[in-house]
Amino acid sequence: AQSVTQPDIHITVSEGASLELRCNYSYGATPYLFWYVQSPGQGLQLLLKYFSGDTLVQGIKGFEAEFKRSQSSFNLRKPSVHWSDAAEYFCAVGFPTSGTYKYIFGTGTRLKVLA
Amino acid sequence: DTGVSQNPRHKITKRGQNVTFRCDPISEHNRLYWYRQTLGQGPEFLTYFQNEAQLEKSRLLSDRFSAERPKGSFSTLEIQRTEQGDSAMYLCASIPRRDRGLGEQYFGPGTRLTVT
Repeated sequence: AQSVTQPDIHITVSEGASLELRCNYSYGATPYLFWYVQSPGQGLQLLLKYFSGDTLVQGIKGFEAEFKRSQSSFNLRKPSVHWSDAAEYFCAVGFPTSGTYKYIFGTGTRLKVLA
Repeated sequence: DTGVSQNPRHKITKRGQNVTFRCDPISEHNRLYWYRQTLGQGPEFLTYFQNEAQLEKSRLLSDRFSAERPKGSFSTLEIQRTEQGDSAMYLCASIPRRDRGLGEQYFGPGTRLTVT
């Protein structure tokens, strides 16, 4: 069965420090991978996605993620965190079903940024 | 493009009452998804529509839950005889027709349901 694991429930970093959020997936075929961010009172917003090609993908707000098939991972990174990055981050995998695609989300990682 | 809207944003109801939520997707988005999100969890798939057809329902969607998307535009999610375990954020998302179901989901702000 398809699944997504985000091992870190909470992460705290200082402003200006680098960030890596972990995501592992379980899916037998080529995964379609996503990272979303959810700020308080806001809907989920897409940061980036991976479908194929270059395994290092760039997203919005200075985020990037690297797909590693051998590790079944799709970790999100940012070289220098800003206070406005404090939010909850969700990794998701999409897979084909019933003529369309279905999406499974991880449990999320809540990021706290220290001034 | 005004975004996905959901109404109401908050709903408090007593156990046993029926509630109905509405989702208005972005115009021309033909795929619409409903999710439930509880505290400390990611969105959990409930059901989705392609145009007006409901193509799949999660086992989470008991017979107290029903969803419709008449005419392939807005969608409603109704919960009958609410239970305290139904308390959650209900999210709606839509995907543009051009993406054929694989692409960015545009999420609404959600409806937070509290069952007392």
